[in-house]
Amino acid sequence: EADIYQTPRYLVIGTGKKITLECSQTMGHDKMYWYQQDPGMELHLIHYSYGVNSTEKGDLSSESTVSRIRTEHFPLTLESARPSHTSQYLCASSEFGSDEQYFGPGTRLTVT
Amino acid sequence: AQRVTQPEKLLSVFKGAPVELKCNYSYSGSPELFWYVQYSRQRLQLLLRHISRESIKGFTADLNKGETSFHLKKPFAQEEDSAMYYCAPMDTGRRALTFGSGTRLQVQP
Repeated sequence: EADIYQTPRYLVIGTGKKITLECSQTMGHDKMYWYQQDPGMELHLIHYSYGVNSTEKGDLSSESTVSRIRTEHFPLTLESARPSHTSQYLCASSEFGSDEQYFGPGTRLTVT
Repeated sequence: AQRVTQPEKLLSVFKGAPVELKCNYSYSGSPELFWYVQYSRQRLQLLLRHISRESIKGFTADLNKGETSFHLKKPFAQEEDSAMYYCAPMDTGRRALTFGSGTRLQVQP
């Protein structure tokens, strides 16, 4: 079934650890996005990609990095997690030429 | 930079009452606007887009360029409409969305 997956769904980790949030989609979409959302606040675009080997920074400055080596995979990495990174991270994808974005279930990250 | 404002964090109405969720934007150029919705324990999903001028689940939204608004309306709210609603203009250059802070609609029986 075509879908967009995020793992882990919940993560509690200590300060200074390196973490990678996984996002995969089986929808055949070219474009993928990462959003960050604090409780009760806006979703902020932090990274996006038009396709393989394409990555761009979004509106909100983020210490995270992304890669797009395969069309279906768009992982987000934090080299050294800090409490300020505590947030929900949403991954989305869209077909090239379409404006509808499909969202994953999100990863709720807590850095202690 | 684009900005979008949803002034109400919470809107509570009774079943059968009219609903209007407000959205104001600042944008240079011709905007494309969307409403996304998140029901309890479900993912964020597209509700409607202004260019299609469609009615989805009884909701409509009209783009008012003079007032720079894109309010979401429904004449008779249903309990199943209870959800979080986000207004989202699109940056037509990057084809990326800017989301508002959202309005929680609570429809009481």
